[in-house]
Amino acid sequence: DTAVSQTPKYLVTQMGNDKSIKCEQNLGHDTMYWYKQDSKKFLKIMFSYNNKELIINETVPNRFSPKSPDKAHLNLHINSLELGDSAVYFCASMGAGRGEQYFGPGTRLTVT
Amino acid sequence: AQSVTQPDIHITVSEGASLELRCNYSYGATPYLFWYVQSPGQGLQLLLKYFSGDTLVQGIKGFEAEFKRSQSSFNLRKPSVHWSDAAEYFCAVGKGNQGGKLIFGQGTELSVKP
Repeated sequence: DTAVSQTPKYLVTQMGNDKSIKCEQNLGHDTMYWYKQDSKKFLKIMFSYNNKELIINETVPNRFSPKSPDKAHLNLHINSLELGDSAVYFCASMGAGRGEQYFGPGTRLTVT
Repeated sequence: AQSVTQPDIHITVSEGASLELRCNYSYGATPYLFWYVQSPGQGLQLLLKYFSGDTLVQGIKGFEAEFKRSQSSFNLRKPSVHWSDAAEYFCAVGKGNQGGKLIFGQGTELSVKP
């Protein structure tokens, strides 16, 4: 069973479109994250949710809106996509009282 | 400011040779320290972690890392590299009380020569 899963794995879309990426974890973790990996492979946190509540928002444009319907799911919706949004987006989760995070396989977003 | 530096962008070693990947960090207190590995087209897999206690930590796949507080370093080592170790390696720091936010280094790409 996949611990942290993301869909879709690849997403190709045009500028101006709106798209969503879904993430699910079956680890029973309380905290979930979205990270962005740019073309130079640099990883930067975007958001964090703990038990469906937003706890970290790293000055991400408000075109990005995370949504957590329950603590096992954290989705990322992106409005009005721009070329600069092209990247790999990783979902991760962490258990309460722990420090290590478990990452999903990533979603490669390409905006043309 | 909190930061992580991996000085080596790309390292090439021969199969069977030893490996050391460097990681230095800047943090207000002793953070939690991690090494992750990313194979091409894959997600990140946790190799090992340091929270406290013994400064030499063992991880999966034969990797180990040593925390040196005086040098603010957490270098990753492996005594004998296998071709399957070719990947991107990331050092990261974090602290559970900041929502678990991880700060990553730039990554080191490891190539293995036959």
